[in-house]
Amino acid sequence: EAQVTQNPRYLITVTGKKLTVTCSQNMNHEYMSWYRQDPGLGLRQIYYSMNVEVTDKGDVPEGYKVSRKEKRNFPLILESPSPNQTSLYFCASSFTPGLAGAAEQFFGPGTRLTVL
Amino acid sequence: AQSVAQPEDQVNVAEGNPLTVKCTYSVSGNPYLFWYVQYPNRGLQFLLKYITGDNLVKGSYGFEAEFNKSQTSFHLKKPSALVSDSALYFCAVRDGSSSNTGKLIFGQGTTLQVKP
Repeated sequence: EAQVTQNPRYLITVTGKKLTVTCSQNMNHEYMSWYRQDPGLGLRQIYYSMNVEVTDKGDVPEGYKVSRKEKRNFPLILESPSPNQTSLYFCASSFTPGLAGAAEQFFGPGTRLTVL
Repeated sequence: AQSVAQPEDQVNVAEGNPLTVKCTYSVSGNPYLFWYVQYPNRGLQFLLKYITGDNLVKGSYGFEAEFNKSQTSFHLKKPSALVSDSALYFCAVRDGSSSNTGKLIFGQGTTLQVKP
C-alpha cells in the first residue's frame, strides 16, 4: 500500500530533551516536506527537500533540523524542544512539483507532540 | 504574498442537502489549487485539484470545486451531503509560476458538520 508513515504518533517530552520524528514514504517520491498544524493557522511548512541531500527552509524553520540521506526517509529533529513547539506535525511527499506539474502531496497520519 | 482564506470556521448542513465550503486565494502567478479533508486523528487526504482547463473539477467522494478566476475563488461543493462527510476541510494554493519549492499555502480550515 502506498503510504507515508510517521513515528511516533504521540509524544510527550520535556523542554530541552532532543527528539526525532521519523517519516518514511514508499512511493519513490523525490519531494518531501514537514508541516505543523496549529488551531486557526492551518498548516505551515517547516522544511522541505527536493531530493536526496537537498533540503531548504520553509516558513517556520526555527528550532528544527532535517536530513535527507535516503530518498524514502526525511526525519525531523528538535535538538532542544520548547513548549511553543507543541503542535501536530505532518510529513508529506510527492513527485517533483515542477516536473510532475502540480503533483498533489500525500500526507502521513501526523505526530502529536507535547513539550512540557 | 500568497494567501488562502476560508471565511467560515464551521459549516452546518442537513444530510441530503447541498453543501458549499468557501475558499478564496491570492497568488502572483497562475494558481494551483487543492482541497484536502482531515478526519479525526488522521492525516490529510487529497480530494481534488485545479491546474488548468475546465473550471469545474470533480474529485473523490462526490465532491467538486469550481475555479473562478475573476473572484479568485475555489469553492468546494457536493450536491447531497452525507453524515460521513463531517470533517475538517482545507483549501491550499501554490503559485504555479514560482520556484519549485512545492510549498502549499493552507487556509485555516473549515469544519463541516452534517446532521442526520
